Amino acid sequence: EADIYQTPRYLVIGTGKKITLECSQTMGHDKMYWYQQDPGMELHLIHYSYGVNSTEKGDLSSESTVSRIRTEHFPLTLESARPSHTSQYLCASSSDRFPSTDTQYFGPGTRLTVL
Amino acid sequence: GDSVTQMEGPVTLSEEAFLTINCTYTATGYPSLFWYVQYPGEGLQLLLKATKADDKGSNKGFEATYRKETTSFHLEKGSVQVSDSAVYFCALSDRVDSNYQLIWGAGTKLIIKP
Repeated sequence: EADIYQTPRYLVIGTGKKITLECSQTMGHDKMYWYQQDPGMELHLIHYSYGVNSTEKGDLSSESTVSRIRTEHFPLTLESARPSHTSQYLCASSSDRFPSTDTQYFGPGTRLTVL
Repeated sequence: GDSVTQMEGPVTLSEEAFLTINCTYTATGYPSLFWYVQYPGEGLQLLLKATKADDKGSNKGFEATYRKETTSFHLEKGSVQVSDSAVYFCALSDRVDSNYQLIWGAGTKLIIKP
């Protein structure tokens, strides 16, 4: 099972600030994902990566951007935070090794509040 | 496209009651099926998984059987505890090119009263 770390766990920030949400995993998983979720509600995929230097947008349009320069690290950046970005952000990863290729493992999440 | 439909919540039960949370799916291929659990303030944890028809996934007293004939993967537990209060998500794996993504249900909130 993957160990996935997200920092910060909670962030309260003013409108217009640039923020970066960190996500790291220690299991060498090639695939990583970012989801946006209102607490306890449906998950929406906003970004994913299948390996270093690979990033794709998900089903839900997002003003955030991501990068994947190292296998273990998949940060998400908002250039100018707005109240509509208030949500919980969940990072996940999955292995390339059969039979676990379709199983995602999640970090604890970052709860973002933009004032 | 593929989709997952879950029982709407919240589901409120007394401690030691029998639990069923319904999940049905539509899929063109042969996906794996999952149940994840999310405790308050936390990320999602894999609860159980089944990879083919008639497989039964089980963990922590929870069970779910992959029923291809009814396209269902209902979650059951014989005797729930207050600590089972959480949101439960059903999901299926969708193959996109040579990779997999998960298609999620909307989640079902479970409240267990002592």
